[in-house]
Amino acid sequence: NAGVTQTPKFRVLKTGQSMTLLCAQDMNHEYMYWYRQDPGMGLRLIHYSVGEGTTAKGEVPDGYNVSRLKKQNFLLGLESAAPSQTSVYFCASKMRRDNEQFFGPGTRLTVL
Amino acid sequence: QQQVKQSPQSLIVQKGGIPIINCAYENTAFDYFPWYQQFPGKGPALLIAIRPDVSEKKEGRFTISFNKSAKQFSLHIMDSQPGDSATYFCAANTGGFKTIFGAGTRLFVKA
Repeated sequence: NAGVTQTPKFRVLKTGQSMTLLCAQDMNHEYMYWYRQDPGMGLRLIHYSVGEGTTAKGEVPDGYNVSRLKKQNFLLGLESAAPSQTSVYFCASKMRRDNEQFFGPGTRLTVL
Repeated sequence: QQQVKQSPQSLIVQKGGIPIINCAYENTAFDYFPWYQQFPGKGPALLIAIRPDVSEKKEGRFTISFNKSAKQFSLHIMDSQPGDSATYFCAANTGGFKTIFGAGTRLFVKA
């Protein structure tokens, strides 16, 4: 099993550009999450999904959109990137009945 | 009420020392308290977790102490090693789909 994978690993954008981050998991997990990690801020939840076709806002959703068309994939979109979105983005997933979240390796995004 | 407050922000100990990381919460509905360990360039991974019906849990050199009345819990690393150098996050969960993370503690263990 590959676990949770994220694509790409690194990306540099200019202000106003758009991009999509892809998260894939092969553990048949129902729940999937997108977090951003900034120094001194911990992990902040952007959006999450409790099942295929469903998404919900987390703590810091502004400027991001998500989609979960397939159970194994969770996409995070930035329509018009801003320097404030420079961060490391982590995807995570878990089984509905369990508490442990499994994290991907992260995507380091820089917006100039 | 949804916050988990973690301290210190950073910690430096000598090899063999016992670093202690503290967390506090307000929401009494939290019923699962995990600690995640993150190495540079990697995603966080579950290290150890505790439920509020026990006051202490040990796994190897890692111990969680839990004080339900004070709404505090802490991670102790016995006989710390340079390989323990990482960022540690405490967290809390109500058993549902959201986990609230602390701000993280960067630990450096000197050889």
